[in-house]
Amino acid sequence: DTGVSQDPRHKITKRGQNVTFRCDPISEHNRLYWYRQTLGQGPEFLTYFQNEAQLEKSRLLSDRFSAERPKGSFSTLEIQRTEQGDSAMYLCASSINRRTQYFGPGTRLTVL
Amino acid sequence: AQKVTQAQTEISVVEKEDVTLDCVYETRDTTYYLFWYKQPPSGELVFLIRRNSFDEQNEISGRYSWNFQKSTSSFNFTITASQVVDSAVYFCALSEAPQGGSEKLVFGKGTKLTVNP
Repeated sequence: DTGVSQDPRHKITKRGQNVTFRCDPISEHNRLYWYRQTLGQGPEFLTYFQNEAQLEKSRLLSDRFSAERPKGSFSTLEIQRTEQGDSAMYLCASSINRRTQYFGPGTRLTVL
Repeated sequence: AQKVTQAQTEISVVEKEDVTLDCVYETRDTTYYLFWYKQPPSGELVFLIRRNSFDEQNEISGRYSWNFQKSTSSFNFTITASQVVDSAVYFCALSEAPQGGSEKLVFGKGTKLTVNP
C-alpha cells in the first residue's frame, strides 16, 4: 500500500503523560500536514511542512505540541503533559506542492 | 477569513433516492480551491473532488455530480441513486492559494449521510 500511514492507530494515555505519533507520507510527497478532528467537527489545521521545514503553525498548536520532519520524510507529532482536551483524532495528510492532500487513517487519542 | 458552512448536519434517505449535500463558502481571495472528502465509519478521509475558482463547469463522475456557483458561493454535491455504501460523513473544504502559503484546508462541520436499505 502506498498511501499515507499513521502509527499508532489508537492511543490511550493518562493525563500528564507525553505521547508521540508518527506519519509516513506518500513517497515523494514534499508537503506534509497535521490536522486535529474532534467529535462532530471537521478537521482543523495544526501545522505544515515543506520538506523538512516547518513553515506554518496554527494558534491551536500550544507550546505543549511539537512536530518534526527530519530529512523531509516521515513526521512526528508530540504532545507533552497531555490534557483531557487533547482527546481527538490526529490526521496527517501529504501532497506534492500545491496539489490535492491525501489523508492517512488517523491516530485516535484518548486522554483519561 | 475563510469559512465553510454545511448547514445540513444529518440527512437520511432510502436507497436509490437522489440526495444533495449543500456547501457554502466565504473567502476574500479570487484564487482558491474547493474540495469534497468522504469519511466512512472507518475514519479515513477519502478525496472525492478538487475544483479551482476559475473553473465553474459542473462535473459528473458516475453517480456523483458537483454544482459550483461563484455567484452564490456554493459548491453542492449530489449523489444519484444512493446506495448503502454511500453512508458516511461528507466534508466540504476550501483552501486559498497565497504565494508561498501552505494551502491548508478549512473544513465545514460535515454532513452525516445515512442511506437505508
